[in-house]
Amino acid sequence: DAGVIQSPRHEVTEMGQEVTLRCKPISGHNSLFWYRQTMMRGLELLIYFNNNVPIDDSGMPEDRFSAKMPNASFSTLKIQPSEPRDSAVYFCASIKAGSNQPQHFGDGTRLSIL
Amino acid sequence: AQTVTQSQPEMSVQEAETVTLSCTYDTSESDYYLFWYKQPPSRQMILVIRQEAYKQQNATENRFSVNFQKAAKSFSLKISDSQLGDAAMYFCAYRRNSGGYQKVTFGTGTKLQVIP
Repeated sequence: DAGVIQSPRHEVTEMGQEVTLRCKPISGHNSLFWYRQTMMRGLELLIYFNNNVPIDDSGMPEDRFSAKMPNASFSTLKIQPSEPRDSAVYFCASIKAGSNQPQHFGDGTRLSIL
Repeated sequence: AQTVTQSQPEMSVQEAETVTLSCTYDTSESDYYLFWYKQPPSRQMILVIRQEAYKQQNATENRFSVNFQKAAKSFSLKISDSQLGDAAMYFCAYRRNSGGYQKVTFGTGTKLQVIP
């Protein structure tokens, strides 16, 4: 079975550029989560979706960050404009809502903003 | 709000020995799940073990076992016969069991070093 698929695996870009991270959840999973991991702040939940609808976006740092889930098999996290402090590893995870299973994580995107 | 605390930023263990990683949590819920995830240098987040709060029996997965103390809100992970491949960050996590509510709260992690 394919797991959660994230792309790109690495992204290096200059400050001010737009960055788009992509995620394909596991088929049949209807809850999707975006996390950010840094040394300073650990693993932070940015936003999560249930049935393509954003349920909790209280972790989104500021208006420069936006996330969409246009359908059950695809989500994006966009940063515009990007700043050096956005450098982190961004994880996507998915789960079937109501199940007793744990979240399944993608391999993450390492983002470096120069 | 739920919180998860891992009070040991770093731990070390001799290969083949046993080590216990601590985790405490705070919640007013009675029905929830607890998890331990492993994150090796490859940065994948790998589920190690999970525990349902309504089950009194401690979960075990091969060399990994937990000591779940519900009243004390404690959920420690014991790794027996430690191997070099166990070296990683370990995260304790909590999720309440409430219909469609799926938000997970993670601890800050414990970095485990395995000494050959």
